[in-house]
Amino acid sequence: AQKITQTQPGMFVQEKEAVTLDCTYDTSDPSYGLFWYKQPSSGEMIFLIYQGSYDQQNATEGRYSLNFQKARKSANLVISASQLGDSAMYFCAMREPNEGVRFGAGTRLTVKP
Amino acid sequence: EPEVTQTPSHQVTQMGQEVILRCVPISNHLYFYWYRQILGQKVEFLVSFYNNEISEKSEIFDDQFSVERPDGSNFTLKIRSTKLEDSAMYFCAAGTPGGNHGELFFGEGSRLTVL
Repeated sequence: AQKITQTQPGMFVQEKEAVTLDCTYDTSDPSYGLFWYKQPSSGEMIFLIYQGSYDQQNATEGRYSLNFQKARKSANLVISASQLGDSAMYFCAMREPNEGVRFGAGTRLTVKP
Repeated sequence: EPEVTQTPSHQVTQMGQEVILRCVPISNHLYFYWYRQILGQKVEFLVSFYNNEISEKSEIFDDQFSVERPDGSNFTLKIRSTKLEDSAMYFCAAGTPGGNHGELFFGEGSRLTVL
């Protein structure tokens, strides 16, 4: 069974607008971490944001925020004020104790001028 | 300076040959990972390594693959008898201990092409 599900293979957003990329996860462990990574066309994996399962507040990093809804097991990434340079693949990932970090299938975001 | 450095950035090999991909984390990370990404596809977990031994491996990580950290710094992935379908980008990652901490630092990847 998929542990990380990203249901949007592709998303479009107008420059300067906000966009939400969906991510749901499946775990029975109370302790876990959630990540979002950006992969531009150059191929490197760029860390964006991290949310721990015990964190009380939603994580924020600049224009990135993570909408963490624990009961629904969702960890959506919100990018505010989209820029052309935000066009890339975005991967949601989860780490459970003593297990490797697993990635979702990714969402390709295209920012339109 | 990146947290994780990978070499080579690109390797071309003949089918059936052995390749070794190297990873050097610069900080005192305790967890190490190898991932594979076939072009345009998802990032697939291969193996995690902690305390000088494999802590978890995926179904992809069969007897063809092995990892080691022989000198306490370099973390290597060996692929024996390469197949065409091993062509992919291989990412090394390093992180802090525990399941509820911080980010995972990725190297820039090693692109393997098997002919």
